[in-house]
Amino acid sequence: AQKVTQAQTEISVVEKEDVTLDCVYETRDTTYYLFWYKQPPSGELVFLIRRNSFDEQNEISGRYSWNFQKSTSSFNFTITASQVVDSAVYFCALSPDSGGSYIPTFGRGTSLIVHP
Amino acid sequence: EPEVTQTPSHQVTQMGQEVILRCVPISNHLYFYWYRQILGQKVEFLVSFYNNEISEKSEIFDDQFSVERPDGSNFTLKIRSTKLEDSAMYFCASGPLDSPEGEKLFFGSGTQLSVL
Repeated sequence: AQKVTQAQTEISVVEKEDVTLDCVYETRDTTYYLFWYKQPPSGELVFLIRRNSFDEQNEISGRYSWNFQKSTSSFNFTITASQVVDSAVYFCALSPDSGGSYIPTFGRGTSLIVHP
Repeated sequence: EPEVTQTPSHQVTQMGQEVILRCVPISNHLYFYWYRQILGQKVEFLVSFYNNEISEKSEIFDDQFSVERPDGSNFTLKIRSTKLEDSAMYFCASGPLDSPEGEKLFFGSGTQLSVL
């Protein structure tokens, strides 16, 4: 069984602060994919990143960075110099690499509020 | 960038009525999914569809639900007799197989279903 835990229900920061969203996962699969999605107030789900379990390199994309630590089963997401437009619910998700369909299991999400 | 299209964006229905939620996946994708998100809660998997049949489904996807790909481009979710607890945002997603991004799902912008 797969499980994704986002322990932080809501985080509130002031613009320009750095913020880290935590994600801890459980899986029995040896290969899997991890994702982060953003859900802005408009409701759609926006793909941010996917990471293969073989690839533990951290990734940086502009103000976003991801820290994948297989040893602790964590895939944390950091926003540097947060902006009001970053306010959204962020979901971490996990899917097996079953060689067929990919069915992400989502965490409960972390609501990020960035105040001006 | 290609996108998954969902219609309608909002649907209001009376309890006991049938509803059909429509999705147009990305044209060369092979896997199709429905997820739902009850207000303020996590995104939950409903069903996956491949090669014109259901490949996996969750316990949420009971006999009241059905999916269909009627014409090679649309992918529909039917709820036969809606209940109040079916009120949620329903997301369609599609995913390619034979591409470097085969593990990335593309989500539509969702249909907000309100059952009165």
